[in-house]
Amino acid sequence: EEQLVESGGDLVQPGGSLRLSCAASGFAFSSYAMGWVRQAPGKGLEWVSAISPSGDKTFYADSVKGRFTISRDNSKNALYLQMNSLRAGDTSIYYCAKRGGDGWGAFEVWGQGTLVTVSS
Amino acid sequence: EVVLTQSPATLSLSPGERATLSCRASQSVRSLLAWYQQKPGQAPRLVIYDASNRATGIPARFSGSGSGTDFTLTISSLEPEDFAVYYCQQRSSWPLTFGGGTTVEIK
Repeated sequence: EEQLVESGGDLVQPGGSLRLSCAASGFAFSSYAMGWVRQAPGKGLEWVSAISPSGDKTFYADSVKGRFTISRDNSKNALYLQMNSLRAGDTSIYYCAKRGGDGWGAFEVWGQGTLVTVSS
Repeated sequence: EVVLTQSPATLSLSPGERATLSCRASQSVRSLLAWYQQKPGQAPRLVIYDASNRATGIPARFSGSGSGTDFTLTISSLEPEDFAVYYCQQRSSWPLTFGGGTTVEIK
């Protein structure tokens, strides 16, 4: 069974940093593009970042560009999101998701999410 | 940035009725549009990818259609487990974008 498990969510002060992790299992992790999607409390879905299978290509939403960094370690089947200069508006559940198809497909597998709260 | 507008915001229907959800893009996204279902307290689940392809395990009562700027998700006969929020999402261009969602609620 394909599975994604996020961790690392926490309460952090504005201006602080946090690193999210996503552990993948049940599929050939190094063959798939991956991404992060977030959802503020009571709101809709917002795409955050994406990374190619090898990690050589990365993409970011304007709202996080320059503050967040996506990376992966294919030897550990792990995806990461380094979040710096956090703001109250970054408060959300962060989902790790596997992209399907032969390249940049739809998000076909999702983790259960990890909650990031930015507050003083 | 491609803006996706979903309508209606809320659809109130009874089990057994047909649900028709709309997603309109501000510019062409070809057929690179997906639909997701989300229930309270759960992660989203892929329902339809590339406009008209059912994802693994999705029942045949779900169907998707459209291309370019206008897309439709149809649930032919609502089951109790289908009441949820549905989001469309395009992957035609960066940044990826989601629609605001349609809530399908029990009437």
